[in-house]
Amino acid sequence: EDQVTQSPEALRLQEGESSSLNCSYTVSGLRGLFWYRQDPGKGPEFLFTLYSAGEEKEKERLKATLTKKESFLHITAPKPEDSATYLCAVQASNTGKLIFGQGTTLQVKP
Amino acid sequence: DAGVIQSPRHEVTEMGQEVTLRCKPISGHDYLFWYRQTMMRGLELLIYFNNNVPIDDSGMPEDRFSAKMPNASFSTLKIQPSEPRDSAVYFCASRSGLAKNIQYFGAGTRLSVL
Repeated sequence: EDQVTQSPEALRLQEGESSSLNCSYTVSGLRGLFWYRQDPGKGPEFLFTLYSAGEEKEKERLKATLTKKESFLHITAPKPEDSATYLCAVQASNTGKLIFGQGTTLQVKP
Repeated sequence: DAGVIQSPRHEVTEMGQEVTLRCKPISGHDYLFWYRQTMMRGLELLIYFNNNVPIDDSGMPEDRFSAKMPNASFSTLKIQPSEPRDSAVYFCASRSGLAKNIQYFGAGTRLSVL
């Protein structure tokens, strides 16, 4: 069964304190791994797609990496506006649907 | 483009009533997805369409739930009769078959069944 597990569930950081969020997955043939950001009261917003082990993507203070079993979302020198829930999802090669993890809620304090 | 548009944004109803949620996907997108989000179960796929045809409805929890896509610019998710355990945020998402599988989400409908 395709499965996605994110850790930690919640993370509190001081502004400027770098850290990483983890997404572990099991899937029958990975078609893509997706990172989304969700702000309270809003829908998930697309951040990155990774397709193969060793691939990396960057956007401002965020960097996503992928191995054969997990993905990391590295946050460098975060700011309060980075506070949100970060969702990881996988798409298996034999289906058009995404399987989401439970998310990591990040709070960055000034 | 205005993005994926959902209505209403909030719905409060009483147990046993029929509820209809609406979605307008991004123009040109040929896939449409309905999700439900709760604290306990996270974001779950209910059903998705390709070119207005339902492809996978294995996530629809019960026969009380039904979804339609009469044309490329409109879809509905109906719950009849509604129950308190249906209370959740329902999201619609769409994507283009040519755009590397990236789904774009609407703002959601928060449903409360009393």
